[in-house]
Amino acid sequence: GAVVSQHPSWVICKSGTSVKIECRSLDFQATTMFWYRQFPKQSLMLMATSNEGSKATYEQGVEKDKFLINHASLTLSTLTVTSAHPEDSSFYICSARHTGLAGANVLTFGAGSRLTVL
Amino acid sequence: AQSVTQPDIHITVSEGASLELRCNYSYGATPYLFWYVQSPGQGLQLLLKYFSGDTLVQGIKGFEAEFKRSQSSFNLRKPSVHWSDAAEYFCAVGAGQAGTALIFGKGTTLSVSS
Repeated sequence: GAVVSQHPSWVICKSGTSVKIECRSLDFQATTMFWYRQFPKQSLMLMATSNEGSKATYEQGVEKDKFLINHASLTLSTLTVTSAHPEDSSFYICSARHTGLAGANVLTFGAGSRLTVL
Repeated sequence: AQSVTQPDIHITVSEGASLELRCNYSYGATPYLFWYVQSPGQGLQLLLKYFSGDTLVQGIKGFEAEFKRSQSSFNLRKPSVHWSDAAEYFCAVGAGQAGTALIFGKGTTLSVSS
C-alpha cells in the first residue's frame, strides 16, 4: 500500500534555529501534499497545501515566511520552521494525495514529526 | 464552510462492551467522510471512509460507521471493544472531491477499562 514517510520523527532545537521536516511518498507520486499541525490533546489544523512545482497555498493565519514549504519533486515536500521559538513546538503531520483503488483519490498520512523548541 | 463536531471529548468503555463515537458535520453537498485513529505520539491510521453508495461502511479492526444524511451524522461503532482500541479518534470531512484537504473534528479520546 501507499506509504508516506516523515523525517525526522522527533527533533529538539534551540530557539532561533531553523528546522527542516521532510515528507516523502515512498511508492507513489504525489502532486499534492498537505501539512497539518497538531497541538497536544487537540485536533489537526491544516497549515498549507503543497503543490509540486508551484508555491504552497497557506491557510489563513499561517505565516508563510515562518513555515517555508518546498515541493520540489513528485515524492518530496519539505516544511522548514524558520527561527523557531518555543510556541512553534508541536506535532507536524503531512499527508499525500494519490490514486487508490477504483481510481478514487485518497490521502495517506505520515507518522508525524514532533518538534520541541527549547 | 464545512466543519466537523465530535460532541464527546472523552469516553470510557468496558472491554467487551459496544462503542459508538458520534460525529456531526456541516457541509452543503455530499461530503466525503472519514474516521481516523491516532495512538499516542503516532500519526493517523484510516479506519474507514464514505464516498458514496451504501451508507453503512465497514472498516478495519472491526469498526463500522453509518452515514445519515438527514442527521448530518457519521457515527463510528464497534460491537465489542478491545483494550488495544484505546486511542484518539478523529472524524474528518473532505470537501469537493476525494483527496482534498480534510477538516478534522477535535477528536474523542477512548479509554478502555478492564
